[in-house]
Amino acid sequence: AAGVIQSPRHLIKEKRETATLKCYPIPRHDTVYWYQQGPGQDPQFLISFYEKMQSDKGSIPDRFSAQQFSDYHSELNMSSLELGDSALYFCASSSFGGTYEQYFGPGTRLTVT
Amino acid sequence: GEDVEQSLFLSVREGDSSVINCTYTDSSSTYLYWYKQEPGAGLQLLTYIFSNMDMKQDQRLTVLLNKKDKHLSLRIADTQTGDSAIYFCAESIIVYAGGTSYGKLTFGQGTILTVHP
Repeated sequence: AAGVIQSPRHLIKEKRETATLKCYPIPRHDTVYWYQQGPGQDPQFLISFYEKMQSDKGSIPDRFSAQQFSDYHSELNMSSLELGDSALYFCASSSFGGTYEQYFGPGTRLTVT
Repeated sequence: GEDVEQSLFLSVREGDSSVINCTYTDSSSTYLYWYKQEPGAGLQLLTYIFSNMDMKQDQRLTVLLNKKDKHLSLRIADTQTGDSAIYFCAESIIVYAGGTSYGKLTFGQGTILTVHP
């Protein structure tokens, strides 16, 4: 079965640079979530989108922005990168209603040097 | 508030049963999930239980929910070395926002399960 696809899988950036992470949800899933997982930490919710509109916002820094496009893929844009932004960034998707389970992608490992 | 806690480490021998425990504080949790994360990998949804259930069994996995005590456990029967991973429990609060409803996940810190041959 098709899963959530994230690209790139690994990304190395320098401080103050920008990064764009992409997420392709499971087909027919209309809701996308972004999570950040620091080393040895649990995933923290950043932001979510339903039908191309932001549906909820968590602990996402103002330097980050995200959107969902007409084909339901989503992009997380990160600017003025800081060393503390180094983490695994997960995208998850779900379909409206049902049992609300979220299926996670493999993650993008961002390293800021 | 939302707070999910797990013990950090569990070590078992191959073939034994593993029991990973989790407590949560939000009584409005609707679904509770168990995710597995192998080193450097994504989160794999193992199983979930609806809050009006006490138990759910899925092959080697048994989930027990004590809603009164807000306690969730995951039992893995006949644990194998391939089960070594971090196991996260997560509670889901249904949120109605932006014209939709979805389960907002809050994760525990994760339990590192080590299986010895």
